[in-house]
Amino acid sequence: KAGVTQTPRYLIKTRGQQVTLSCSPISGHRSVSWYQQTPGQGLQFLFEYFSETQRNKGNFPGRFSGRQFSNSRSEMNVSTLELGDSALYLCASRGNLGQGYEQYFGPGTRLTVT
Amino acid sequence: AQSVTQLDSHVSVSEGTPVLLRCNYSSSYSPSLFWYVQHPNKGLQLLLKYTSAATLVKGINGFEAEFKKSETSFHLTKPSAHMSDAAEYFCVVSDLDSGYALNFGKGTSLLVTP
Repeated sequence: KAGVTQTPRYLIKTRGQQVTLSCSPISGHRSVSWYQQTPGQGLQFLFEYFSETQRNKGNFPGRFSGRQFSNSRSEMNVSTLELGDSALYLCASRGNLGQGYEQYFGPGTRLTVT
Repeated sequence: AQSVTQLDSHVSVSEGTPVLLRCNYSSSYSPSLFWYVQHPNKGLQLLLKYTSAATLVKGINGFEAEFKKSETSFHLTKPSAHMSDAAEYFCVVSDLDSGYALNFGKGTSLLVTP
């Protein structure tokens, strides 16, 4: 079974631009979560989607948004990029919501904002 | 509210000696606890998980962890370190309070010397 895939793997953007990252979950998984990893803040939860609906949200500004499609693929968008948005963005999928459903991570998208 | 604290930011061991990575947590609910590993420039891989079953949890690559409710700890151990174990290790807590999103510790960098 193929793992979680993320595209692109690397991205360089300029401050003020917007960016869209894509995530394809493991086949059959209906939940997709996004996390941001930075040296200063560590790994932080952005949001989780299940059946095309946002089910949970972390403490990030509204510039960070996402969506999920009917095939469970998800996209994350960051508008008006800031230097501090430079990070590794990780996507994770799991079969269902709730306790006990472990999350499987993709390799991440490395975003650099200049 | 939940939180997770990894007590050591760096641990150095010699190849063939035991590994101990320490983790304390707090949770108002019955938590799920996880250990993930991240090798350089790679995504996160699940080592093991605790979800209210046996308190001693065995994972991949010879790692295990013991859930101690009275001490609110979930330390990761391995009897004999291998060079390939050098990586960043994350202790993670998940419970109803976070909507079962993963709350990551700051990470412990494991160095294995020959």
